[in-house]
Amino acid sequence: EAGVAQSPRYKIIEKRQSVAFWCNPISGHATLYWYQQILGQGPKLLIQFQNNGVVDDSQLPKDRFSAERLKGVDSTLKIQPAKLEDSAVYLCASSLGTGQEKLFFGSGTQLSVL
Amino acid sequence: GESVGLHLPTLSVQEGDNSIINCAYSNSASDYFIWYKQESGKGPQFIIDIRSNMDKRQGQRVTVLLNKTVKHLSLQIAATQPGDSAVYFCAENIRSGTYKYIFGTGTRLKVLA
Repeated sequence: EAGVAQSPRYKIIEKRQSVAFWCNPISGHATLYWYQQILGQGPKLLIQFQNNGVVDDSQLPKDRFSAERLKGVDSTLKIQPAKLEDSAVYLCASSLGTGQEKLFFGSGTQLSVL
Repeated sequence: GESVGLHLPTLSVQEGDNSIINCAYSNSASDYFIWYKQESGKGPQFIIDIRSNMDKRQGQRVTVLLNKTVKHLSLQIAATQPGDSAVYFCAENIRSGTYKYIFGTGTRLKVLA
């Protein structure tokens, strides 16, 4: 079974630039999550999709971050404009259903904002 | 408030010894917990889970203990191996509108040869 795919693997940008990350969840997984992981910390949920609808974006900085999941499969997370404090690993995860189930994570995109 | 924390940020263990990683959670409504292992440059990997109607669950070389009275979770790794070196996170699942996970800060496990 293929895992959660993410790209790019690394990204270096200057502050005020924009960046986009892509995620392809495990086939058939209804729920998709984007997490931000700052060095030395645990993952923090940014946004959670159930199929193609948003069910939790309470911690998403909506003035600069946006995400979409068209057709309930792939998802993109965008930052515009980026700030220095956005430097982190952005992890995508998926789960089969919508309840209490295992999350399967991708390898993440490491973002450095200079 | 909602929080999950770990008592020890770094744990060094001799190869072959048993490891115990601890986690405290503050939300008594949490009823499902997962331990994840994260190696450098990789995403978190599922290790073992436990529901609140259990106090112990065993896997291959790993055991999770749940003490709901004091809101404490632990991960025991038997006969620790060099490949166990990683950061370990506990995550609690809580229903707040929808089900969501809250992750702790993590404990780094170093296995000494």
